[in-house]
Amino acid sequence: ILNVEQSPQSLHVQEGDSTNFTCSFPSSNFYALHWYRWETAKSPEALFVMTLNGDEKKKGRISATLNTKEGYSYLYIKGSQPEDSATYLCAFRGYGQNFVFGPGTRLSVLP
Amino acid sequence: DTGVSQDPRHKITKRGQNVTFRCDPISEHNRLYWYRQTLGQGPEFLTYFQNEAQLEKSRLLSDRFSAERPKGSFSTLEIQRTEQGDSAMYLCASSNEQGLTEAFFGQGTRLTVV
Repeated sequence: ILNVEQSPQSLHVQEGDSTNFTCSFPSSNFYALHWYRWETAKSPEALFVMTLNGDEKKKGRISATLNTKEGYSYLYIKGSQPEDSATYLCAFRGYGQNFVFGPGTRLSVLP
Repeated sequence: DTGVSQDPRHKITKRGQNVTFRCDPISEHNRLYWYRQTLGQGPEFLTYFQNEAQLEKSRLLSDRFSAERPKGSFSTLEIQRTEQGDSAMYLCASSNEQGLTEAFFGQGTRLTVV
């Protein structure tokens, strides 16, 4: 059974703070790591697809890094805004395997 | 095409009743996934289809659960003799197996078994 973990489970930050969360996944048979943002009452929205060790992706104030050798990815949010409040999910894909999701990190940004 | 759609959005049913959910994927996507999410957990894989073939089923999918994708387009997920433990959000996603595409999710069907 593949184990994908995320920490912290939940996080409360003030508007303007920068924050980061961790996704841990198996370091063998790596194919891709996906990050999703899931806002209440909406569908999960894809943020990044990461494939190469050392990869760094950026979209606006959000960025992510990938370390496939040690099996972790970090998601960073710079200058958090209330609209960033959501659950952030990572999903691991091994070769020939389906998405295995982590439990998510619930972020609340307080104005 | 406006994305993956699921119907109904909410379903309340009495224990022991059967329920059926529908998912319409993005039209050019050949893969369709069903996930279940319970409170405080990430989505758990239930099953997936490539076109009309059901290629994988999770051990979570007991014999009370059945999924179909008869023409390789929409899919249905049926739960027979519902139990309170079936209460969850049921998510459908679709993807195109051309390269590293992400899965696109519907908004889910929230099932409450009373």
